[in-house]
Amino acid sequence: SYELTQPLSVSVSPGQTASITCSGDKLGDKYVCWYQQKPGQSPVLVIYQDRKRPSGIPERFSGSNSGNTATLTISGTQAMDEADYYCQAWDTTTVVFGGGTKLTVL
Amino acid sequence: EVQLVQSGAEVKKPGESLKISCKGSGYNFTSNWIAWVRQMPGKGLEWMGIIYPRDSDTRYSPSFQGQVTISADKSMSTAYLQWSSLKASDTAIYYCARQNGSGISPFDPWGQGTQVTVAS
Repeated sequence: SYELTQPLSVSVSPGQTASITCSGDKLGDKYVCWYQQKPGQSPVLVIYQDRKRPSGIPERFSGSNSGNTATLTISGTQAMDEADYYCQAWDTTTVVFGGGTKLTVL
Repeated sequence: EVQLVQSGAEVKKPGESLKISCKGSGYNFTSNWIAWVRQMPGKGLEWMGIIYPRDSDTRYSPSFQGQVTISADKSMSTAYLQWSSLKASDTAIYYCARQNGSGISPFDPWGQGTQVTVAS
């Protein structure tokens, strides 16, 4: 079965750029989306089709996908961005989530 | 506003049955797939399966095939997730989410989640 691998944790200082990776075999051939989940809340879509932002998502969130790695980048990271982030892709008709990355802003 | 509202928290004993719900509003419920996602305590998101309410076409993750049943009642704009015999390992938060389009579209929005606790 297809697998997506994310780092368990990423730390960033306020105002700096955070990068969260998601790796999978030929992932660049698939569309990737990213979800943000804050403690006690439901996941929220922040990036879809590799790099598109839903309405209401700040411009500091961006995405890319090439080769075997997709990356979620948060520019000018704010304390409110501290959360778990999950990548997701489709493998034929099956949905696959990455294991999630805890972003700490300190 | 597109919204998915899930049924409330449940506490059950092992071996009991359960059916939880997810009611859609603010859009044509029959036009979008609805997925179910499990999140075990302190763990990540796991896709369980998906249903198209218009014709109840359903696909299951191999990990959950035979373990749960996904259904929908389009007249009620509601999708369901059910178990015939719960296990302690079914303790988790269960989310429903609308597929925002066709094919390989993302999931947006998500329901608020239903906490299911199975304990003797």
